[in-house]
Amino acid sequence: DTEVTQTPKHLVMGMTNKKSLKCEQHMGHRAMYWYKQKAKKPPELMFVYSYEKLSINESVPSRFSPECPNSSLLNLHLHALQPEDSALYLCASSHAKGLAGMNEQYFGPGTRLTVT
Amino acid sequence: AQKITQTQPGMFVQEKEAVTLDCTYDTSDPSYGLFWYKQPSSGEMIFLIYQGSYDQQNATEGRYSLNFQKARKSANLVISASQLGDSAMYFCAMREAGSSNTGKLIFGQGTTLQVKP
Repeated sequence: DTEVTQTPKHLVMGMTNKKSLKCEQHMGHRAMYWYKQKAKKPPELMFVYSYEKLSINESVPSRFSPECPNSSLLNLHLHALQPEDSALYLCASSHAKGLAGMNEQYFGPGTRLTVT
Repeated sequence: AQKITQTQPGMFVQEKEAVTLDCTYDTSDPSYGLFWYKQPSSGEMIFLIYQGSYDQQNATEGRYSLNFQKARKSANLVISASQLGDSAMYFCAMREAGSSNTGKLIFGQGTTLQVKP
């Protein structure tokens, strides 16, 4: 099973709202990722968790707050977003260590976020 | 600095024909991995194929094969017998061995493939 699930599929929120995106995988992966993707552009890495610890924060604004409560779950808490934050948010997971070839990332279907 | 270049913003192919999507890369790390992903309009990034820098043979997965030319630093994706369902955006990506613990991928700009019936 190479499934990564994400909820919700679509989200519309105002600039003063607080919302959360959820991601779950049951592949035993110990690395999980959040990406932001604008239309017709490649995904941009936001955060990486390795063994439930934040290992990379790509200088993401503090209005995005990641959380990894356990090895299967990854959340992205959103607060006071801007319209330019509207995008597809993708979650991915992979094995955390090993040869480069063993670490292909498996992506979820994404959450399409619209900030009004 | 590591970089992935996909020079074809858009491609057309006739159904049942083969198509090659180009990807060149730049890295100073002798150990790296190259990946191709497919992204349909639904949004999900689907892992297609992987090639390691030390692999002696070109990777193949069903109708997908990777034409790996290390000296030219190219990793082109070949799709044989194109199907209408192959219409999607395709991304080439690279990860250096030094980032194996973080898994950071460098993506190209993508190529949109349209399969004509």
